[in-house]
Amino acid sequence: AQKVTQAQTEISVVEKEDVTLDCVYETRDTTYYLFWYKQPPSGELVFLIRRNSFDEQNEISGRYSWNFQKSTSSFNFTITASQVVDSAVYFCALSEAKVADGLTFGKGTHLIIQP
Amino acid sequence: DAGVIQSPRHEVTEMGQEVTLRCKPISGHDYLFWYRQTMMRGLELLIYFNNNVPIDDSGMPEDRFSAKMPNASFSTLKIQPSEPRDSAVYFCASSSGLTGLPEAFFGQGTRLTVV
Repeated sequence: AQKVTQAQTEISVVEKEDVTLDCVYETRDTTYYLFWYKQPPSGELVFLIRRNSFDEQNEISGRYSWNFQKSTSSFNFTITASQVVDSAVYFCALSEAKVADGLTFGKGTHLIIQP
Repeated sequence: DAGVIQSPRHEVTEMGQEVTLRCKPISGHDYLFWYRQTMMRGLELLIYFNNNVPIDDSGMPEDRFSAKMPNASFSTLKIQPSEPRDSAVYFCASSSGLTGLPEAFFGQGTRLTVV
C-alpha cells in the first residue's frame, strides 16, 4: 500500500525567510510519480510539480525548489525568500504509474508567511 | 483552455435531501476523478472513470453515494439521502492517459454543507 507522510502540520515563518516542507512516501513499486500541490485560502488545488521515480535531479523554478532522494524516500519542497502570497496548504502526493488510478495525498502542511 | 469546471461552488442542503454535484473535465482528458476533502480524513479518492467508464469506486463511502459519466464532458456525483457527515469539499479532477503522465488538474471544488 502507498502512503505519504507530511509530518509538519503547520509552519509559520516571517517573510523573506527560507522554508522547507517535508514529504516522506512509501510504495512497493519501482515506478511511481511524486507531486506537490498548493491550496491557497481560496480553496482550489494548484498543481506545482511532478517527478518520476527515475529522475532524482533536483528542480528549481524561481523561488521554489524540490529535492528528491530515493534513498530516504523523501521529496522535500523549499521556498526561498518566502512571500505572504506563499501562504497556503501544501500537499505532497504519490501515484503508482502503472495505472492512472488517482493520487494518494499527504495530510498537508499549512504554511503561514507573516509580513 | 478552460480548466475543470465544477458546479455549484457552494451547496447548503437539509439532511435527507438529494444533492447533485457536477463536473466538466478538461477537453481531451480521458480520466476523471472525484475526491472529497475533510479536516479529519484529508483528501480521499472516491471514484474514477476512464473513457466514461467507472474503474474503481472502492472509495465511495456508502450506497448513498453514486457517480455517473454519461459522456466525455460531464460527470455527476449524487448523494441521496444526504447526512451532516457528508459535509466536505468535493473536488473533481481530470488527467490525460495519452500523455502517460498522471498529474491531475483540479476544479475549484464544491463546498457542501448538510444541516
